[in-house]
Amino acid sequence: DTEVTQTPKHLVMGMTNKKSLKCEQHMGHRAMYWYKQKAKKPPELMFVYSYEKLSINESVPSRFSPECPNSSLLNLHLHALQPEDSALYLCASSQAPGTVTYEQYFGPGTRLTVT
Amino acid sequence: AQKVTQAQTEISVVEKEDVTLDCVYETRDTTYYLFWYKQPPSGELVFLIRRNSFDEQNEISGRYSWNFQKSTSSFNFTITASQVVDSAVYFCALSEPENYGQNFVFGPGTRLSVLP
Repeated sequence: DTEVTQTPKHLVMGMTNKKSLKCEQHMGHRAMYWYKQKAKKPPELMFVYSYEKLSINESVPSRFSPECPNSSLLNLHLHALQPEDSALYLCASSQAPGTVTYEQYFGPGTRLTVT
Repeated sequence: AQKVTQAQTEISVVEKEDVTLDCVYETRDTTYYLFWYKQPPSGELVFLIRRNSFDEQNEISGRYSWNFQKSTSSFNFTITASQVVDSAVYFCALSEPENYGQNFVFGPGTRLSVLP
């Protein structure tokens, strides 16, 4: 089973709202990722968690706050977003890297609209 | 500098034609990994293949084949006898040793339309 699930599928929020995106995998992967993808562009890495610890933060604004409660779950907390943050947010997971770089498996994404 | 180039922005073919998607990458590392992903209209990126820099063997999986040439820094993807279900955006990605290879650099993607 190579499934990564994400909820919700669609989210519309105002600039003053607080919301969270959720991601779950049951493949025993120890690395999880958040990407942002704008229309007709490739995914851009936002955060990486390895063994439940934040290992990469690609200079993402603080209005995006990631959380990894356990090895299967990854959240992205959203607060005071801007309309330009509207995008498809993708979660991915992979085996924890070591001497080998493993493929990442992606969820279906959450399409976020900020009004 | 763009590390992964996919020069073809959009390609249209008629069903059953063969099509090759180009990927050219740039890296100073001797150890690296290359990937291809498919993104259908539904949005989910589907993993197709992983190749490390020490394995230059070409690979075939059903109608899909990949040609890896280190001499030209290319990792091209061919779909034989294309089908309408192959319509999607295809991304080539590069992973380098920095940050244990977790930072994938995606190319801009090639949108493939297969017409019936």
